[in-house]
Amino acid sequence: DTGVSQNPRHKITKRGQNVTFRCDPISEHNRLYWYRQTLGQGPEFLTYFQNEAQLEKSRLLSDRFSAERPKGSFSTLEIQRTEQGDSAMYLCASSPAGAPMNTEAFFGQGTRLTVV
Amino acid sequence: AQKVTQAQTEISVVEKEDVTLDCVYETRDTTYYLFWYKQPPSGELVFLIRRNSFDEQNEISGRYSWNFQKSTSSFNFTITASQVVDSAVYFCALATGGFKTIFGAGTRLFVKA
Repeated sequence: DTGVSQNPRHKITKRGQNVTFRCDPISEHNRLYWYRQTLGQGPEFLTYFQNEAQLEKSRLLSDRFSAERPKGSFSTLEIQRTEQGDSAMYLCASSPAGAPMNTEAFFGQGTRLTVV
Repeated sequence: AQKVTQAQTEISVVEKEDVTLDCVYETRDTTYYLFWYKQPPSGELVFLIRRNSFDEQNEISGRYSWNFQKSTSSFNFTITASQVVDSAVYFCALATGGFKTIFGAGTRLFVKA
């Protein structure tokens, strides 16, 4: 399978715990995005990487959230001291280098986080 | 401010009916892109179409067609002869400068056999 891969698919955690999600983009894509989607809403942009550089970050990404893409390949999204409001689907997407800005992104199946 | 409005929360049709999903957008930018994505129950978003702001030609792809009208800031999506497999949530999205894409709240389409 050469699509965008996200792990785990589901995560249940207790409030206050830290969680980390992983995204493996399509291998030749240098652009990587994280989005958050709550029930009944569209995805909301969280952050964007071009290779290993984090170029854009939403105000939604509080200090408890951090994302990395250390070698320009896979990315991790960590949430510290989780809160019930963090419960959502976290989507990762990637798009190819050289494509026009804002070209279509290929999305993974997401990680559904439930904070209890 | 940039915004995408999908006023229809849910639509239910019977198979073979035509259905139109509405999308209205707001932006002050003159250069922008509009998208439609499909989200089936499995969860991943599937790209359907991208249009840039300078190309108002309508597009048809099989049973899918899109009507882009800058005068009304609308980018509507029509499925002709709907099928049960079309059941999904459909999102309209807007991208301007930068890499952030703004999604509407989505329209859930039920197609009954």
